[in-house]
Amino acid sequence: KNQVEQSPQSLIILEGKNCTLQCNYTVSPFSNLRWYKQDTGRGPVSLTIMTFSENTKSNGRYTATLDADTKQSSLHITASQLSDSASYICVVSGGGSYIPTFGRGTSLIVHP
Amino acid sequence: GAGVSQSPSNKVTEKGKDVELRCDPISGHTALYWYRQSLGQGLEFLIYFQGNSAPDKSGLPSDRFSAERTGGSVSTLTIQRTQQEDSAVYLCASSSGQGYEKLFFGSGTQLSVL
Repeated sequence: KNQVEQSPQSLIILEGKNCTLQCNYTVSPFSNLRWYKQDTGRGPVSLTIMTFSENTKSNGRYTATLDADTKQSSLHITASQLSDSASYICVVSGGGSYIPTFGRGTSLIVHP
Repeated sequence: GAGVSQSPSNKVTEKGKDVELRCDPISGHTALYWYRQSLGQGLEFLIYFQGNSAPDKSGLPSDRFSAERTGGSVSTLTIQRTQQEDSAVYLCASSSGQGYEKLFFGSGTQLSVL
């Protein structure tokens, strides 16, 4: 069964600090993995995509990693800002279906 | 359009009434998805369209839920005889349909069943 597990479920950090969010998946065969950011009251927005051959990719203060062997990904946020407060969702495509598999998300709160 | 548009943004209805939720995808996007998100929860897949056909409707929770898509564009999600447990945000997403592409989401419809 295709599954995506994220940890932690929620996280509170102080502005300016770094944090790392984790994603483990069982989707097979693997096509790609995306991290989405969902602000309160809005739909998710894609931050980055990781394909099988990519290990690390950065998008500003966001850095995603992928270990296709262990089926793990992480999203590292550097020098957090108040606007980073949101839910971060790991989404894996593949598994023989055009329906991507969503994780339940990590709720990040950044305090001043 | 510039993005995925959903209407209404908020809908309050009485238990037992029917509701229709509309999604206008990005022009040219052939794939369209409906999701449901209860308060504080993850996204729950409902139905997937490729063009006007729905090859996967496995997520529809009951026969009170139905969806259609016309002209390969606008989609309508209909909930008949609404129940309080139907209260949630209903999100629509579209993609180019060329494979495992990025989903573009609308802002959702907040449905409240009293």
